[in-house]
Amino acid sequence: DTGVSQNPRHKITKRGQNVTFRCDPISEHNRLYWYRQTLGQGPEFLTYFQNEAQLEKSRLLSDRFSAERPKGSFSTLEIQRTEQGDSAMYLCASSLTQGFNYGYTFGSGTRLTVV
Amino acid sequence: KNEVEQSPQNLTAQEGEFITINCSYSVGISALHWLQQHPGGGIVSLFMLSSGKKKHGRLIATINIQEKHSSLHITASHPRDSAVYICAVRWGNYQLIWGAGTKLIIKP
Repeated sequence: DTGVSQNPRHKITKRGQNVTFRCDPISEHNRLYWYRQTLGQGPEFLTYFQNEAQLEKSRLLSDRFSAERPKGSFSTLEIQRTEQGDSAMYLCASSLTQGFNYGYTFGSGTRLTVV
Repeated sequence: KNEVEQSPQNLTAQEGEFITINCSYSVGISALHWLQQHPGGGIVSLFMLSSGKKKHGRLIATINIQEKHSSLHITASHPRDSAVYICAVRWGNYQLIWGAGTKLIIKP
């Protein structure tokens, strides 16, 4: 296992189209997180899963955003009816739950450009 | 006031210099992370600290829980160290609160 994998690396889409990103975490990690990062800003938390359960969603995640982790392994993040403001880097991270002593492994991100 | 503040925002130094990046936070935390982000966007986790000091190669990270302060040091800096360094604190069970990052440029 070489780390957290995200696909695609880059996505350019027209406004109004739907896009879907995929994240493959480290196989033994039971937690998976999605973050969004816009230019010049730190990443913003979007949502996280523990196994297949989506335990928390940020208020940043509008109704156009949906995330799934159907078998507790890979996750998808879908954005419907994309808007130019959705242009950002979408980062996925995974971790183990071992009390408070766990670290995060990040993917390389998917850069979305909405034109 | 941001809950996590980093300084400096930008730092340019010559190769070989000793680098210090500071992070102060105002919330109670369970751990603090130092991360490195390269221009392509990928983020690498450097350290996770809940107390004391950690060292990995030329990188050293310290944390003072009482003072709510952490520092990241780079010894014998090299141009390949050029990146954005981000301090993030873990608040609660999963939330990371991120600093704005420090853009480091090491000139040969």
